Amino acid sequence: GAVVSQHPSRVICKSGTSVKIECRSLDFQATTMFWYRQFPKQSLMLMATSNEGSKATYEQGVEKDKFLINHASLTLSTLTVTSAHPEDSSFYICSARGTSGETQYFGPGTRLLVL
Amino acid sequence: SQKIEQNSEALNIQEGKTATLTCNYTNYSPAYLQWYRQDPGRGPVFLLLIRENEKEKRKERLKVTFDTTLKQSLFHITASQPADSATYLCALANTNAGKSTFGDGTTLTVKP
Repeated sequence: GAVVSQHPSRVICKSGTSVKIECRSLDFQATTMFWYRQFPKQSLMLMATSNEGSKATYEQGVEKDKFLINHASLTLSTLTVTSAHPEDSSFYICSARGTSGETQYFGPGTRLLVL
Repeated sequence: SQKIEQNSEALNIQEGKTATLTCNYTNYSPAYLQWYRQDPGRGPVFLLLIRENEKEKRKERLKVTFDTTLKQSLFHITASQPADSATYLCALANTNAGKSTFGDGTTLTVKP
């Protein structure tokens, strides 16, 4: 149980384009989803927290207009990197938490490379 | 400010020995603490959760302790195997529905 998927696992795009990453909880309802980015050999950096049906709460320094988050259902959240630039290249990981309100279960991550 | 420190970036041990990883925190009153394993290029995988009123938790070869006086959690892997080699992250949450804050992780290498 508690499986979270992400799609795509890897994406390469040109500078200026937008990229959408999907995060799905496959066997539980995720009342809260989190989006992280991780640079090589560094820890997870929380970008935003989203609760189903409401606007995401962004961490300080994260541009909400650049990283659009939608959590329209209890099993799906999307992160759209708008007008991507090479500095947005990173490993993006989502996690989901169910109604128990404790453990976060992570997706396998999405490697984004912006050329 | 709140701070989470995990012992030494890297830990190397011989197969069969017990690996002990440390997670210390300051300016934090966690409701619970979690340990995750992360392999290169993959998302973290949940291992164990321990609550503030629990001293110890076990799962197979894993054992976690939580000392709220020392503000420290220890994560033990007994009879370690090369397959245990990975980065281990501790994460603290100060409320039952709050967001978790992650440490930088300790990379464990178990040599055959």
